[in-house]
Formats: sequence, structure tokens, C-alpha cells
Amino acid sequence: AQSVSQHNHHVILSEAASLELGCNYSYGGTVNLFWYVQYPGQHLQLLLKYFSGDPLVKGIKGFEAEFIKSKFSFNLRKPSVQWSDTAEYFCAVNAPNSGGYQKVTFGTGTKLQVIP
Amino acid sequence: DAGVIQSPRHEVTEMGQEVTLRCKPISGHNSLFWYRQTMMRGLELLIYFNNNVPIDDSGMPEDRFSAKMPNASFSTLKIQPSEPRDSAVYFCASSLDLPEAFFGQGTRLTVV
Repeated sequence: AQSVSQHNHHVILSEAASLELGCNYSYGGTVNLFWYVQYPGQHLQLLLKYFSGDPLVKGIKGFEAEFIKSKFSFNLRKPSVQWSDTAEYFCAVNAPNSGGYQKVTFGTGTKLQVIP
Repeated sequence: DAGVIQSPRHEVTEMGQEVTLRCKPISGHNSLFWYRQTMMRGLELLIYFNNNVPIDDSGMPEDRFSAKMPNASFSTLKIQPSEPRDSAVYFCASSLDLPEAFFGQGTRLTVV
């Protein structure tokens, strides 16, 4: 079964600092990859997604992620964070499960706190 | 489109009571997911339906939990009897043929 690892559970940055959140998945076949963001008290919203093509994906609010197949990674980056980026970020992988059905698996999330 | 609609937004109930959470997916979507989010365990997939049929319920914690999807526009997650450890935010999400899921606002359940 596929799994998703987010190694950073809590990240604290100052405004204008650069951000990189790690995401690794375990599945050897074709996958779709996602980053979702959850602002305090709100539901999850899609930041960006990778299906195929250019492994460098650009999303909303200046976020981007790079799919490195050889490393089974899909790290999220932003060159300069803002206080409003304070949120929890979830990496997710869509891949077939043992029954052949597509299944989305989420990582445990990374809480980002941006200090003004 | 109104998005995925969940009700109620907040539920406070006493231990032992039955709790029913409701979800209306986005019109036209054919997959529906129920997730539970807690501080300790993060975001867990409880069950998902495809074309109203439960495909994977391996995440349902125990027999006290049940989910139904009687038609394409409505699903329920029931907990009977509820326990304090069931306190969490329950999210419903829907998608069209996967893989991108759209989430509802969630139901914050507190069992006292």
C-alpha cells in the first residue's frame, strides 16, 4: 500500500524567508501528487497538483513543487513566505490500492508558522 | 457551484448518543470520501464511495461507525454509540473520477 511521509511536523519561519517542505511517497508506479493547504479553522484547499509533464509545478499564491521520480519526492517550495501563509500543509498521493481502485493517501501534515 | 456541503458544522453530544453527519457532494462528482482529523492522528481516510458503492472502508475504526450513500447527492456517517475519543473534525470530500478532491468545511464533533 502506498504511504506518504512528511518529515517536518512543525516549521517556524520569519516573513520573507524561503520555504521548503519535504514529501516522500512509497509507490513504484504512476502516481498523481498534490499539496493541500488548511488555514486555521478552515477546510483543505488544493494548492497545486502534478499529473504528468513538467515535473516543476506552479500553484497558487507563489507556491511550487518539484516531482523527482528517482527520489519519490514532491517537495513544496516558496521563495518568500508571508504571515498569511501560516497554515497546515498536506501532501497527498493518488495511486491504485491493492484492489485496483484509485486511492488518495495524505501525509500527516506540516504546520507552518510565519512570524511577522 | 456551492461546493461540498456538510452539516452540521458543529455537534456536541453526550457519550452513548447516536451522531449522524451529513454530506452533499458537488453535483456530478462520482467519488465521495469521509476523513477524520485529530491532533494525534492527523488526517485519516475512513471510507470512500465510487458511484454510491463503498470501495474501501478499511479506515473505519470500528463497528460503531457506519456510512451510507443512498444516492449520488447525499451521504451520511453515523456513530452509534459515540465515545469521547470520537471527538474530531470530520471532513467530506468529493471528486470526479479522482484524483483531485474538493473538501467540505467539516463537522467539528465533540463527545462529552
